[in-house]
Amino acid sequence: DAKTTQPPSMDCAEGRAANLPCNHSTISGNEYVYWYRQIHSQGPQYIIHGLKNNETNEMASLIITEDRKSSTLILPHATLRDTAVYYCIVRGGTNTGNQFYFGTGTSLTVIP
Amino acid sequence: NAGVTQTPKFRILKIGQSMTLQCTQDMNHNYMYWYRQDPGMGLKLIYYSVGAGITDKGEVPNGYNVSRSTTEDFPLRLELAAPSQTSVYFCASSPRGRGYYGYTFGSGTRLTVV
Repeated sequence: DAKTTQPPSMDCAEGRAANLPCNHSTISGNEYVYWYRQIHSQGPQYIIHGLKNNETNEMASLIITEDRKSSTLILPHATLRDTAVYYCIVRGGTNTGNQFYFGTGTSLTVIP
Repeated sequence: NAGVTQTPKFRILKIGQSMTLQCTQDMNHNYMYWYRQDPGMGLKLIYYSVGAGITDKGEVPNGYNVSRSTTEDFPLRLELAAPSQTSVYFCASSPRGRGYYGYTFGSGTRLTVV
């Protein structure tokens, strides 16, 4: 599975869009990009995933560059409850055990 | 629907003691996982299981054992506890299949070894 690089921390003003970047320059053709978040002391929560097309759900949008070497998670209107650690994970679709390997993520702080 | 249930929520062990962390899921998920999370760090995969009777090592299996006798239960055993095993332990489960299937995590067990 490809390695990902994320900034260790970011701030965002409440009500503004939070844009969290992730670099995955060694991603291969069958690997998906996944995002999870972990609110303090809780288990991680799935947010969104994608292969090469941009994706949107009720929580966030995922923008993947055309060369797939980087992606951005967008929280359109950040609230205080979005303060969490966000993990970007790249994993192959043929991963037989469905394992996710978590890095250290980006700690997002939403400021009032 | 309880999801993934972990017990206990907190535990203090003395060096050299043993214990079992319990994990039960009621979603009929085939896949189950144990992670540990040290302070300020990401989650590390300890063991996982793709079905009853089948287990495999993750990134950090040393000092731990698992078993999977039923679909519902996936206990994690610590033998001869060491201070380095002080951590928060998360159990998770997911359905089987290729492609993406999301994890459901338990609320965690906070373990301190003194």
